Amino acid sequence: GQQLNQSPQSMFIQEGEDVSMNCTSSSIFNTWLWYKQDPGEGPVLLIALYKAGELTSNGRLTAQFGITRKDSFLNISASIPSDVGIYFCAGVYSGGGADGLTFGKGTHLIIQP
Amino acid sequence: EPEVTQTPSHQVTQMGQEVILRCVPISNHLYFYWYRQILGQKVEFLVSFYNNEISEKSEIFDDQFSVERPDGSNFTLKIRSTKLEDSAMYFCASKGGRSNTEAFFGQGTRLTVV
Repeated sequence: GQQLNQSPQSMFIQEGEDVSMNCTSSSIFNTWLWYKQDPGEGPVLLIALYKAGELTSNGRLTAQFGITRKDSFLNISASIPSDVGIYFCAGVYSGGGADGLTFGKGTHLIIQP
Repeated sequence: EPEVTQTPSHQVTQMGQEVILRCVPISNHLYFYWYRQILGQKVEFLVSFYNNEISEKSEIFDDQFSVERPDGSNFTLKIRSTKLEDSAMYFCASKGGRSNTEAFFGQGTRLTVV
């Protein structure tokens, strides 16, 4: 099956720092999604990307859909304590409307006081 | 704001027992999904459901699993004879339209098999 390689696995940063994480795949995806998961909760959608090369922002979050359709990155600027959590990238090939998401293994974001 | 709701939030069951996990997708959505997340691991796709039938399923979704949309609002996942390794968070998700729409997830059901 399709695999997503997400890195880094974890990040320890100071409040106020910028954060960058990325996902790569050997397969092409037609849609990239970035989710955040808090402990004991379901994934919450942050940003959706639909076109190769697309750059989209949502507040302090910026994500890009790589031009090759095989990668995506997520940046968080000026991190705050509530940014702590696990961030997952997810891709959809979109052979049909019901395609399931393929998730990366997640990036644990930890903000040190 | 519309949301996907799942019940129960936590289910403890004995090995070999059947469990049914329930989901109420967002009301005008057409595509429904179940995902699984073993503690500390990534979210894994189990099955997608559209037009009252399974559209796609993963290797994890073997004969022990089944899904049903018994009425216009509920979407269920049944595990026929639970195993210890079925212990995980199970997430339901729904999507409104074709590929270029986002899937929204429920809060999950934590299944513990003892």
